[in-house]
Amino acid sequence: GNSVTQMEGPVTLSEEAFLTINCTYTATGYPSLFWYVQYPGEGLQLLLKATKADDKGSNKGFEATYRKETTSFHLEKGSVQVSDSAVYFCALYTNTGNQFYFGTGTSLTVIP
Amino acid sequence: DADVTQTPRNRITKTGKRIMLECSQTKGHDRMYWYRQDPGLGLRLIYYSFDVKDINKGEISDGYSVSRQAQAKFSLSLESAIPNQTALYFCATSDTGIGTGDTQYFGPGTRLTVL
Repeated sequence: GNSVTQMEGPVTLSEEAFLTINCTYTATGYPSLFWYVQYPGEGLQLLLKATKADDKGSNKGFEATYRKETTSFHLEKGSVQVSDSAVYFCALYTNTGNQFYFGTGTSLTVIP
Repeated sequence: DADVTQTPRNRITKTGKRIMLECSQTKGHDRMYWYRQDPGLGLRLIYYSFDVKDINKGEISDGYSVSRQAQAKFSLSLESAIPNQTALYFCATSDTGIGTGDTQYFGPGTRLTVL
């Protein structure tokens, strides 16, 4: 079956620290992989995506590389800001059944 | 204006009451989804619809029903609300295009409390 596992939070970092949030997946076929971000009081919004192996998605200083050999899509940012405080969801999409699968979310708090 | 809207944004109700949550979208997407979000469980799919005549159960459909009134509208009903349906509910849409059908757009959520 299809599933996404991401590191549990909460994660608390100081401003300008390096961020990694781990995500691994199980999927049949060739999924697309995503990171969504949920700011307080809002719905989820797409942060970045990658649609095939070795693709790198990037946006707002965040990056993630689609690693088929390790079935991973870890989210990284070199220098976090207070405004990055949010919940981050790893997700996959498979066009077999056109289904989306989400991880449980990782809460990030960045302190000045 | 937001592309995906949900009403109400907050609702408190009592056990046994019937509740309807509404979702509207202006993105012109055929596909619409209802999820619930619970702490530590992430998002779980309740129902989804790929067009007006298509309704499918998701992972946790028991206790819920849906209606797709038009391409732009997708409502979620709790026929007889119970306390463990207290959660944050999200509507989402996606289109069917190659290269774009894999991205979802979410509404702001409805916080439902069942006492």
